[in-house]
Amino acid sequence: GAGVSQSPSNKVTEKGKDVELRCDPISGHTALYWYRQSLGQGLEFLIYFQGNSAPDKSGLPSDRFSAERTGGSVSTLTIQRTQQEDSAVYLCASSLGNARLYEQYFGPGTRLTVT
Amino acid sequence: GQSLEQPSEVTAVEGAIVQINCTYQTSGFYGLSWYQQHDGGAPTFLSYNALDGLEETGRFSSFLSRSDSYGYLLLQELQMKDSASYFCAVRDTGGGNKLTFGTGTQLKVEL
Repeated sequence: GAGVSQSPSNKVTEKGKDVELRCDPISGHTALYWYRQSLGQGLEFLIYFQGNSAPDKSGLPSDRFSAERTGGSVSTLTIQRTQQEDSAVYLCASSLGNARLYEQYFGPGTRLTVT
Repeated sequence: GQSLEQPSEVTAVEGAIVQINCTYQTSGFYGLSWYQQHDGGAPTFLSYNALDGLEETGRFSSFLSRSDSYGYLLLQELQMKDSASYFCAVRDTGGGNKLTFGTGTQLKVEL
């Protein structure tokens, strides 16, 4: 079966514009996670979904960041009024569920550059 | 909160054995995971330890000591393709349903 897919793979945007990043998890995976990774750094947790609900939004850096998940599948991460510090690779991952969150499958990421 | 410490960089020669350590501080603890990430690639899951001891998967093994808040990833018979970053990650009882990742160890395998 297909792995986690993300689109676009690269996004260059001007400061102040809004961007939408998409994640399509592995079929049957109920848990979905968004992370941000800056160059040479570790993974920064942003948000977690179980089904369509997001019980943990603690990692969202500001109210410019939001995410939703529909149909228990595709998720969209939206960044409003982008800033240069938002430049990073945004990674999405999925797992079979909460009990298996230690084993996450990652997509290839979206490289966001804010100019 | 949670914090994890890993060496930033390790260098070893092809065919050798290398150990990447990870120490953690958490408010509670479920287990320790390891992920591999090649440059420009996505992290891939390697192993998970919930109990003390050694878990072996081919050339890779992972060890956990809960009493010492310490674990390591052991890579044997190193190959050039093992050059990558390796991240430890903890799932803890105080952090909700998420993994907290370390800053990663860059492994360079030389001839």
